[in-house]
Amino acid sequence: GQQVMQIPQYQHVQEGEDFTTYCNSSTTLSNIQWYKQRPGGHPVFLIQLVKSGEVKKQKRLTFQFGEAKKNSSLHITATQTTDVGTYFCAGVMNSGGSNYKLTFGKGTLLTVNP
Amino acid sequence: NAGVTQTPKFQVLKTGQSMTLQCAQDMNHEYMSWYRQDPGMGLRLIHYSVGAGITDQGEVPNGYNVSRSTTEDFPLRLLSAAPSQTSVYFCASSYTTTYEQYFGPGTRLTVT
Repeated sequence: GQQVMQIPQYQHVQEGEDFTTYCNSSTTLSNIQWYKQRPGGHPVFLIQLVKSGEVKKQKRLTFQFGEAKKNSSLHITATQTTDVGTYFCAGVMNSGGSNYKLTFGKGTLLTVNP
Repeated sequence: NAGVTQTPKFQVLKTGQSMTLQCAQDMNHEYMSWYRQDPGMGLRLIHYSVGAGITDQGEVPNGYNVSRSTTEDFPLRLLSAAPSQTSVYFCASSYTTTYEQYFGPGTRLTVT
């Protein structure tokens, strides 16, 4: 079945340092999504990338989708303590019509030292 | 809008007991799904539904049943609880055209 690998599993940074998490799929994806889960909370949707080579920015967050639509990355510039949480990528595989499945990576837990 | 609601928030079961985790959404989303989250394992899809009367299996369906009689509700049934089902369970919903998942607050289940 489809697998989505995410690295690193953990990342500890000093406040102000940059952070990047990477996602690789074993198969070509329809879309890829990114979610953030704060400790004790539920996953919250951040963004979806659809096109090959797409780059999107949200303030200090930059998301990229690879040319082959099999890998993606999330980069945070100048981390803040509010960035703490687990970041998940989720690959969307569309089986046709309204039938689709999401396969989540195992997530990267980001901790930030103030 | 309440969004996606889940009950109960916490539950402790003994091995062999059965129970139903409730999930409801008020956004008229066609797609609903159940995930379990275990430490270091990410979110794994249990079952999903693309509309009332239609359900399908995800990655880890064994030991769980679902049904979708209405657009709003998608209950998850544990037939005979086992310690391996100790986990946090999240329900999610979305439109089938946008894929953006709205997650409920989760149910923390412990099976002893």
